[in-house]
Amino acid sequence: DAMVIQNPRYQVTQFGKPVTLSCSQTLNHNVMYWYQQKSSQAPKLLFHYYDKDFNNEADTPDNFQSRRPNTSFCFLDIRSPGLGDAAMYLCATSRFQGQGNTEAFFGQGTRLTVV
Amino acid sequence: AQKITQTQPGMFVQEKEAVTLDCTYDTSDPSYGLFWYKQPSSGEMIFLIYQGSYDQQNATEGRYSLNFQKARKSANLVISASQLGDSAMYFCAMREPGAQKLVFGQGTRLTINP
Repeated sequence: DAMVIQNPRYQVTQFGKPVTLSCSQTLNHNVMYWYQQKSSQAPKLLFHYYDKDFNNEADTPDNFQSRRPNTSFCFLDIRSPGLGDAAMYLCATSRFQGQGNTEAFFGQGTRLTVV
Repeated sequence: AQKITQTQPGMFVQEKEAVTLDCTYDTSDPSYGLFWYKQPSSGEMIFLIYQGSYDQQNATEGRYSLNFQKARKSANLVISASQLGDSAMYFCAMREPGAQKLVFGQGTRLTINP
């Protein structure tokens, strides 16, 4: 049973047209992450939520926003996608307990194409 | 600042052979967690194995084991009896306590040849 679900699996959007990617989880984890992964590169953390607290990475462009309306759902909004934003976007969840010993569970990713 | 290094961009191994994927890390915190993930061509990240910095024994999970050398700050993944389905990208990652985020190395693309 899928525990972290990303929709859609594939998204094609036009240059400059806002797009939203969604992620839901059934694990009741308190942390949700969004990673951007370009071809043959490591996943790059964009931001994460610890409960309702939003944590933005210093080098994440303002073009990327996120919302977490409740524990189960998290959204990634790209306000004006550029060609350089074409990538795989990975959502992950984790139960943070103050230690470094809990793994992150990933969804299947959304592959974004910008035309 | 923490840093994860995987120095092998690609590895080619014959089926049924064992393979070691290298990972070194840099942290000043004595307490941390190390993780290995597998990413097949489908894109999803699959958790393989975890090693805590205070764990006395090397972690093992089926055909996966972790060669943890704390003094050298290395956490190499060993896959025994490799299978064709092991062909994928493999990422080493680390998290320090108090830090909610998981940071990844550059990855190693493993190809198993029949």
